[in-house]
Amino acid sequence: GAVVSQHPSRVICKSGTSVKIECRSLDFQATTMFWYRQFPKQSLMLMATSNEGSKATYEQGVEKDKFLINHASLTLSTLTVTSAHPEDSSFYICSAPGLAGGNQETQYFGPGTRLLVL
Amino acid sequence: GENVEQHPSTLSVQEGDSAVIKCTYSDSASNYFPWYKQELGKRPQLIIDIRSNVGEKKDQRIAVTLNKTAKHFSLHITETQPEDSAVYFCAASRDWIASKIIFGSGTRLSIRP
Repeated sequence: GAVVSQHPSRVICKSGTSVKIECRSLDFQATTMFWYRQFPKQSLMLMATSNEGSKATYEQGVEKDKFLINHASLTLSTLTVTSAHPEDSSFYICSAPGLAGGNQETQYFGPGTRLLVL
Repeated sequence: GENVEQHPSTLSVQEGDSAVIKCTYSDSASNYFPWYKQELGKRPQLIIDIRSNVGEKKDQRIAVTLNKTAKHFSLHITETQPEDSAVYFCAASRDWIASKIIFGSGTRLSIRP
């Protein structure tokens, strides 16, 4: 079935540094991927839509200069949190639409990246 | 903008009883409604989905109903088991492949032994 991976699974960094998170579709191509952020005991909030070969589309209130998205290939999207601060500590999850066995059409989620900014 | 409301936020049921979670959506162009189960620290897992051309869908102990006129959809879990304890999210999207998915606020379901 369709698999989406993320790397790293967990990262701790100092305030002011930048962190890059990778999202890969392992057995299918994804021209579009989505990035979500989830704070503890809250829902998944869409941050941006990543488009292969073009600029990402950001949701209202999400700073595009702080959360840089690059979708350079059909299987890889990266999210870079620039100048991270403690309030950026969260669970970051990507998703990509794909087809699973039995032609189940849906979006597949990566396992998430837990970011802790000290 | 698009919004999905979900109720209740917490739900506790006796093992073997049924659980019902309800959602409403605001975007009339939504036509794909997935439900996800999320365990602590893990990715959301799709448990069932329904498209707007269908009013009801069932998969073993799980069923979903959709009322497009009222913009309501619900998740029904029958014969609940301890492993059903988790956070459940409803969601809505304009289509499964290219459109963003908007999530409800989540329901924490606890199954009492």
